[in-house]
Amino acid sequence: DAGITQSPRHKVTETGTPVTLRCHQTENHRYMYWYRQDPGHGLRLIHYSYGVKDTDKGEVSDGYSVSRSKTEDFLLTLESATSSQTSVYFCATREGTDTQYFGPGTRLTVL
Amino acid sequence: AQRVTQPEKLLSVFKGAPVELKCNYSYSGSPELFWYVQYSRQRLQLLLRHISRESIKGFTADLNKGETSFHLKKPFAQEEDSAMYYCALSQYNTDKLIFGTGTRLQVFP
Repeated sequence: DAGITQSPRHKVTETGTPVTLRCHQTENHRYMYWYRQDPGHGLRLIHYSYGVKDTDKGEVSDGYSVSRSKTEDFLLTLESATSSQTSVYFCATREGTDTQYFGPGTRLTVL
Repeated sequence: AQRVTQPEKLLSVFKGAPVELKCNYSYSGSPELFWYVQYSRQRLQLLLRHISRESIKGFTADLNKGETSFHLKKPFAQEEDSAMYYCALSQYNTDKLIFGTGTRLQVFP
C-alpha cells in the first residue's frame, strides 16, 4: 500500500462550503496525484505534484487547488464545493519509473 | 490526443469460462500499458504492466502495437476475479497515467 492514507474517508458537505482532503504518505515518494473516480468516466487526474511546492494541473482541475508543503502531504482543496464535485477521490504516489500506488479513497458528497 | 478505450462497461461470465477484457489505445509514441484492478471497497492496485510480461493471478496481457490493443485475458475465470478493471497508459517520459473508463467483471458461480 506504499503507506498511503487519506483523510477524511467520508465527508458530507453543503454547496458553497470549502473542503480540504488530505493525502499522507510514508514512503518518501516524489510524485503525488489526485484523481476523481466517477461512473462512466473512470479515473481522471485533477492535479499532481512532482516535488515539494511543485504542482501542475491535470485533466479536470477547474474548481480544485492543491498544495504540497512537505514531501509526505498533498492537500486537495475545493474552495466552494458544488454538487458536480460529489465523487470518490483517490490519491496516488510514485517514485521513479515505478507504478503508481493508490490510497483507500475519500467519498465526498456535496448536497 | 492520447486516449484509452474500454468498450465494455460490464462483462459477465460463469466460473471456469475464459475472460477477455478489451483495451484499445491511441498514442503516437511508445506507450507503457497497465492493468489496474479494484476489488469491492478496496483501493486500486496494479495487476500487471506490459514491460514486465508476467502473469498475475492467471491474467496475461499482450501489447499489440499494430492493433493498438492491450487486452486482458484469463483462461478460466474464478469468482474472486469479480472486480473493476482499468486499463491505463503512461506516456513515455511523462509523469501521468491516462485511464480508461473501466470494465466491471462479474463471475457467477
